[in-house]
Amino acid sequence: AQSVTQPDIHITVSEGASLELRCNYSYGATPYLFWYVQSPGQGLQLLLKYFSGDTLVQGIKGFEAEFKRSQSSFNLRKPSVHWSDAAEYFCAVGATNAGNNRKLIWGLGTSLAVNP
Amino acid sequence: NAGVMQNPRHLVRRRGQEARLRCSPMKGHSHVYWYRQLPEEGLKFMVYLQKENIIDESGMPKERFSAEFPKEGPSILRIQQVVRGDSAAYFCASSPGQGMNTEAFFGQGTRLTVV
Repeated sequence: AQSVTQPDIHITVSEGASLELRCNYSYGATPYLFWYVQSPGQGLQLLLKYFSGDTLVQGIKGFEAEFKRSQSSFNLRKPSVHWSDAAEYFCAVGATNAGNNRKLIWGLGTSLAVNP
Repeated sequence: NAGVMQNPRHLVRRRGQEARLRCSPMKGHSHVYWYRQLPEEGLKFMVYLQKENIIDESGMPKERFSAEFPKEGPSILRIQQVVRGDSAAYFCASSPGQGMNTEAFFGQGTRLTVV
């Protein structure tokens, strides 16, 4: 069955520290991969996406993610976290060959807290 | 250019009542998607609409739920005879096209509470 796993429900880091949020997926076809962020009271905002090509993807707000097919992973990273990065982060996977390619499969999210 | 607007932000309904959730897409966007986020669960796709057409409703519960996106006005997600299990956050997204290289923008969601 298709699934997305975000192993860490909650992560706390200190401001200025590096960050890695894990995402593993199970998908039979070649996937589209996404990371979204949801700040309190806000809608979901796209951080970055992977379709094909370079497996290291750069996104907004200084985030990047690396697609590793052999590990079925798409981990999100940031070298230095800012207090404003505190939010909920969602990984999602979509089919490349589906008629409706917004029919994403979502992880449960990782809640990030940032200590000053 | 305003973003995707959802209203109301919070909606409380008694069991058996109807809930109507509205989504106004971004200007120029003709594709709308609805998702539901149940407590302790991830977002789940519900329905994909283009103007006046339902393209994919495979994620919609078979009964009590319906969606429309008329030629004029917002997209409406309608839940009839609500039950406690309908309590969730409902998110709408819009995009100018279907292709994955066109970003879908999300609204802030409507949080439905059934009492």
